[in-house]
Amino acid sequence: DAGVTQSPTHLIKTRGQQVTLRCSPKSGHDTVSWYQQALGQGPQFIFQYYEEEERQRGNFPDRFSGHQFPNYSSELNVNALLLGDSALYLCASSSGQRVNTEAFFGQGTRLTVV
Amino acid sequence: DAKTTQPNSMESNEEEPVHLPCNHSTISGTDYIHWYRQLPSQGPEYVIHGLTSNVNNRMASLAIAEDRKSSTLILHRATLRDAAVYYCILLSGSARQLTFGSGTQLTVLP
Repeated sequence: DAGVTQSPTHLIKTRGQQVTLRCSPKSGHDTVSWYQQALGQGPQFIFQYYEEEERQRGNFPDRFSGHQFPNYSSELNVNALLLGDSALYLCASSSGQRVNTEAFFGQGTRLTVV
Repeated sequence: DAKTTQPNSMESNEEEPVHLPCNHSTISGTDYIHWYRQLPSQGPEYVIHGLTSNVNNRMASLAIAEDRKSSTLILHRATLRDAAVYYCILLSGSARQLTFGSGTQLTVLP
């Protein structure tokens, strides 16, 4: 079992550009959540996808959008990148929408905006 | 979600037990207590969770106070690989997201 896989591992973008990050959930999991982790802080919830729909959203602007595919994999898109979007982006997968069981995280994508 | 309070940092010697405290005085009756840890350059990793009774698994033990206003994560024999940020998180049964605080940075000394 490969666990949660994210790609790419590192990415450098220029301010104003758009970026797409990808996540494949752990086998058997149907729910994907995305988190942003700034340096020295705990992860912050961006949104959750279940059954190909956004089910819950954290306090992030509309520049952040996502998608879930029929095979449960997911993408996070960020438009009009700002310097402040530089962070580690984490994907977590779980079975069902509720997280009151074990959530599995990927190793993250380190995004640097210059 | 109810708030948790953890010390910013703790130190432990290798092969000794470590007790990581968490205060959650506003916990509701249906909130579960979860612990995750994040090793350097990795995503968070589930450690353990419980509701009322003490819990044990291969990684750690969770001791929950009788009034549930505090809990303690116990690592029975710390190793250098246990050096990480440990997060205590309260989750209701209907929760769809993990709300991370600042956590406790555990340093394990050889």
